[in-house]
Amino acid sequence: DAGVTQSPTHLIKTRGQQVTLRCSPKSGHDTVSWYQQALGQGPQFIFQYYEEEERQRGNFPDRFSGHQFPNYSSELNVNALLLGDSALYLCASSSTGTGRETQYFGPGTRLLVL
Amino acid sequence: GQQVMQIPQYQHVQEGEDFTTYCNSSTTLSNIQWYKQRPGGHPVFLIQLVKSGEVKKQKRLTFQFGEAKKNSSLHITATQTTDVGTYFCAGEGGATNKLIFGTGTLLAVQP
Repeated sequence: DAGVTQSPTHLIKTRGQQVTLRCSPKSGHDTVSWYQQALGQGPQFIFQYYEEEERQRGNFPDRFSGHQFPNYSSELNVNALLLGDSALYLCASSSTGTGRETQYFGPGTRLLVL
Repeated sequence: GQQVMQIPQYQHVQEGEDFTTYCNSSTTLSNIQWYKQRPGGHPVFLIQLVKSGEVKKQKRLTFQFGEAKKNSSLHITATQTTDVGTYFCAGEGGATNKLIFGTGTLLAVQP
């Protein structure tokens, strides 16, 4: 049983470019949450997807957008990249039932914006 | 907005010593979760506490949830070098599965 997978593992972009990160949830999970973790900081909640819709959003600008596909996988898109977007982007999957299911994190994508 | 703070930010102990990290939320939490992140790794779920005053143990780790459901602690007895990493608490303040992570405590264990 594969856990949460993310691609790519590392990415280097320049300011102003756009990036798409991908996440496949753990088998049996239908909810995907995305987090941004800057160096030395805790993960910051970006948004959560369930039933192909954004269900909850954190304090991130509209440059950050996402999508969830019918197979529950998800993408995170960031437009007009800034230097400050350099971070580890984590995807976490869970199963929406009681709303208190454990979140399983993927290995993350390390994004460097030059 | 909701904030979750942890103290200390950093703790350096000798192997065999005990370690405690404290987590405080600005709002009442529906539940609190604890994660461990090794250097260069991703957060790994340790435990979830739901009930007021709940205490759970995992071998050398003891987790507590405060009576007011606004604070929590993680205590490690007789630390080992394998305990090295950053420990994060993460609280859920509402009905949805949105986690607010604490600031983390980095534990260094000297052999």
